[in-house]
Formats: sequence, C-alpha cells, structure tokens
Amino acid sequence: NAGVTQTPKFQVLKTGQSMTLQCAQDMNHNSMYWYRQDPGMGLRLIYYSASEGTTDKGEVPNGYNVSRLNKREFSLRLESAAPSQTSVYFCASSDSGLAGYTFGSGTRLTVV
Amino acid sequence: KQEVTQIPAALSVPEGENLVLNCSFTDSAIYNLQWFRQDPGKGLTSLLLIQSSQREQTSGRLNASLDKSSGRSTLYIAASQPGDSATYLCAIGGTGGSYIPTFGRGTSLIVHP
Repeated sequence: NAGVTQTPKFQVLKTGQSMTLQCAQDMNHNSMYWYRQDPGMGLRLIYYSASEGTTDKGEVPNGYNVSRLNKREFSLRLESAAPSQTSVYFCASSDSGLAGYTFGSGTRLTVV
Repeated sequence: KQEVTQIPAALSVPEGENLVLNCSFTDSAIYNLQWFRQDPGKGLTSLLLIQSSQREQTSGRLNASLDKSSGRSTLYIAASQPGDSATYLCAIGGTGGSYIPTFGRGTSLIVHP
C-alpha cells in the first residue's frame, strides 16, 4: 500500500537547469496537489489538479509548470531553476478533500 | 480567505505531561479538519480527521476536538513521550466549494525525558 510516491528524494541543480518532479498515487484519488515548504513560510500551494484533465494555479505558481498525465500521476516541472526554488516539495492527493489528504515523503531540492 | 493559526508555535515539556495544541480558523464553513505530524526531514503523516458534522476523534493517546462555531480545534496528547517530539500541523479541508486545504504553520513540540 504505497500511497503517494515522489521521485527523486533529493536533487541538486545548477541555476538554469530544468527538471521534473514525479508524483504518483495508488488510491484512485481525484485531486492532486504540489506544495513547497520553506522555513518560516509553512506549506504553500504551487499547483493543483482537482480532477484528471484539469490543473490550476495555487499561491506560488511562477517558475513552475505541471502535467496531470493520468489519474495516478501529477508531475511538476522547473524549466529554468533558480536559487529561490531551493525548497522541499511535497505532493499530496485526496478524494476531492472529503476524506482528508495524503502526502508523499517529499523531494529536497537545492539549486546552486 | 481562510486563515489558520496554531498556538503555541513551539512547546517544550517534560515526559508524562498531558498537552493541548490549539488550531483556530476564520471561516467556520469547513468540510473537515485534519491533524498531521511531521518529523524533521520527513513528510506529513495524518493523525486524525474530523468531519464537519463530528465533534471529536480519538486515536490511542490522541484526541482531537472541533468547535466550528468558535472556529477552534484542539489536539490533546495524553501522557506525552519523547517519541511524540515533532511538528504538528492542522489543515482545514476546504470551504465554500473549494477542496483546497489551508494549513497552519504548526506547533513544534519537544518532549524531553
């Protein structure tokens, strides 16, 4: 029973490089979310997908793009990484929020 | 816009104490409220989920209550242990047709032997 799986767990990028963070859930949830967590800032929503085929911006979408590949997978792409994107990224999923939210273990990203 | 406040921001207690962590929110028209635990460098682990129609939920030494009318929830930890040391976050599971959760900043708990 894997829940929400994120890859990679750690990544170091140089400024300007691109990468995609992967997230997959096996709970047949409709909604998926990407958050970043920074010291003193709490969890901030980057993008979310209320259902397969839809995506919407959250609180801090600049510099990111997302793809809801299918019901299971929701990826986050950094096209040109910046040091300000150094953070811990969490993916979460829910059955439209009514049964709570399940989080992945996170990706720790450092941009140098 | 829903705002969630957790007080205190940090707490240090000796082992064995009973604790109360507080979470307050501004919009009472919520679908549910969820308490999470986060260990350093780890993800969020769900502890308790209270639906809007419920008043409390219990799991082992944990009890969470919900009072929508006053915009408050409390997480009660009985007989605290060093293994309870972590950050505890509350999340409001959406309001007014939106299922996007709003998180508090968390309470950082240290239980010392």
